Amino acid sequence: QKEVEQDPGPLSVPEGAIVSLNCTYSNSAFQYFMWYRQYSRKGPELLMYTYSSGNKEDGRFTAQVDKSSKYISLFIRDSQPSDSATYLCAMSAKGDDKIIFGKGTRLHILP
Amino acid sequence: EAGVVQSPRYKIIEKKQPVAFWCNPISGHNTLYWYRQNLGQGPELLIRYENEEAVDDSQLPKDRFSAERLKGVDSTLKIQPAELGDSAVYLCASSHRWGTSGNTIYFGEGSWLTVV
Repeated sequence: QKEVEQDPGPLSVPEGAIVSLNCTYSNSAFQYFMWYRQYSRKGPELLMYTYSSGNKEDGRFTAQVDKSSKYISLFIRDSQPSDSATYLCAMSAKGDDKIIFGKGTRLHILP
Repeated sequence: EAGVVQSPRYKIIEKKQPVAFWCNPISGHNTLYWYRQNLGQGPELLIRYENEEAVDDSQLPKDRFSAERLKGVDSTLKIQPAELGDSAVYLCASSHRWGTSGNTIYFGEGSWLTVV
């Protein structure tokens, strides 16, 4: 079992819909959770960063961590065609310098 | 604030040829990383530097890959000789000293290598 699992998609949704992206993980020591957005032919760009459990909101984006289920989510409200990209989850343990990335989910927002 | 700068953006070489990638991290960032990203995969760490010191190079294929970070700022990643399987995006990233701002790192736009 890989440490971080992420459905590669592609996921296609109509403009304006709520998008839910998810990752599961196996290492209970993970405490830092990140979401990166990667446009085609670009490097990953940090979107959201959370420590431990709970929710964090930033504009149309909400990151959610459920440590009991080892499950993290990124919600995008009022999705726009400009949100079309690959979304990578990433995580690491406190005191550990390794960041483990998921494979990324390709998202298409249809106008 | 300028981001992480990488060059070249794109490189096509024949197998067995050498290639080098250069990275200039965000000013003030002590930690520098080289990642490799294959198509449809997430980035995988090749090497991490704290200032001039390579503190994690366990995933660097040392028979053909080498890296250096002179003076603790810019870094170069070299492949010699390149193989077909080295075709990938080579991402440089940087962060403040590990642990001072969580584990958030910032990526450059990548150097896209095609070996033919």
